[in-house]
Amino acid sequence: EIVLTQSPGTLSLSPGERATLSCRASQGVTSSYLAWYQQKRGQAPRLLIYGTSTRATGIPDRFSGSGSGTDFTLTISRLEPEDFAVYYCQQYGSSLALTFGGGTKVEIK
Amino acid sequence: QVQLQQWGAGLLKPSETLSLTCAVYGGPFSGHYWSWIRQPPGKGLEWIGGILHRGNTNYDPSLKSRVTISVDTSKKQFSLRLSSVTAADTAVYYCARGVVRSYEMLSGRYYFDSWGQGTLVTVSS
Repeated sequence: EIVLTQSPGTLSLSPGERATLSCRASQGVTSSYLAWYQQKRGQAPRLLIYGTSTRATGIPDRFSGSGSGTDFTLTISRLEPEDFAVYYCQQYGSSLALTFGGGTKVEIK
Repeated sequence: QVQLQQWGAGLLKPSETLSLTCAVYGGPFSGHYWSWIRQPPGKGLEWIGGILHRGNTNYDPSLKSRVTISVDTSKKQFSLRLSSVTAADTAVYYCARGVVRSYEMLSGRYYFDSWGQGTLVTVSS
């Protein structure tokens, strides 16, 4: 199965700052089938990005995704108060096992 | 706007079978993988498996021997059964809609665009 490693584990930033989250795969992700989710405490995850860089419906353009092969990035251009949460990447290039990364927590500095 | 509503027993004893059901309201039922994902307390997300509207399934290899996902298209519902549970199966279980590209419907490759509210299942003697 493809193992996804997210870094850093925790990102401490202030509102208005730029957040850069990394997701590294143990092998190449087919067709750039990578998604990103946001999860707030006590809530279900929310889809942000799919296909590496396509924003889901209603997601503001301060969220952007990029990457290919084994290295992917989620960037939040200017953090809003509601963006402090945990973020997960997920690969769906292998139908044998869809896998998630361990998550990056974005916390207020 | 699709909504997923899930229900099932929240407290089980070791060796029992976990059973959850998820109902889909709004949006098409066909053309999607209806899926289950779990999250142990304080940990990350784990995909369990999914089922296409016509019954094709794919499961996580580590759970495959204990998992059955079934679908009732007439009711727009799908269900999860996980047998022989242990404390390690304690988690919040989510149902979710898996989005697959139409030209590779049988690929089993999908991401999740709608989620249920989650059900905490605790396994304890």
